[in-house]
Amino acid sequence: GAGVSQSPSNKVTEKGKDVELRCDPISGHTALYWYRQSLGQGLEFLIYFQGNSAPDKSGLPSDRFSAERTGGSVSTLTIQRTQQEDSAVYLCASSASGGYYEQYFGPGTRLTVT
Amino acid sequence: AQKITQTQPGMFVQEKEAVTLDCTYDTSDQSYGLFWYKQPSSGEMIFLIYQGSYDEQNATEGRYSLNFQKARKSANLVISASQLGDSAMYFCAMRGAVNNDMRFGAGTRLTVKP
Repeated sequence: GAGVSQSPSNKVTEKGKDVELRCDPISGHTALYWYRQSLGQGLEFLIYFQGNSAPDKSGLPSDRFSAERTGGSVSTLTIQRTQQEDSAVYLCASSASGGYYEQYFGPGTRLTVT
Repeated sequence: AQKITQTQPGMFVQEKEAVTLDCTYDTSDQSYGLFWYKQPSSGEMIFLIYQGSYDEQNATEGRYSLNFQKARKSANLVISASQLGDSAMYFCAMRGAVNNDMRFGAGTRLTVKP
């Protein structure tokens, strides 16, 4: 079946602009995660959605970052007033449930803020 | 707090030989899951293997095995019969029982030499 998809694959934006990144998880997966990976670094957790529960936003680095998940499926990560330090690859992952189920990752969105 | 440490920024191995990638972790949780992911140069994160903290047997998946030493809090990945296609970044990750996020190590870049 189809894996996790993300769009756009690349995004170049000017400092101060808002951007929206989209994630389409594997059908039937109730858990969805967003991560950020800076160049040559490991992954940094941003936010977690599980079913209809309130999201865990503990990893969001500032109030410029927000995310929503509509209908328990597609998720959008929004970064307002982008800064150069927001430049990174943003990865989305989904899993069959929360807990110890393995996470399946999308190809990522490479964000460059100029 | 949970922390994952991968002390080998880079490793080299000759094709067809075995290699061990180190991972140590720190957690106060009694229940947790340990994961290894592979990230080729194309950027996607590929799930390799999972070990639960209460699993008595070391996990194995094909050429991948996890050398789990709970008392030492280590979860080393062993790749047998290395192939050129194994050249990639390898990330160790852990998810605790309480937190929703998956903590990743900084990664080890493995290069398989012909």
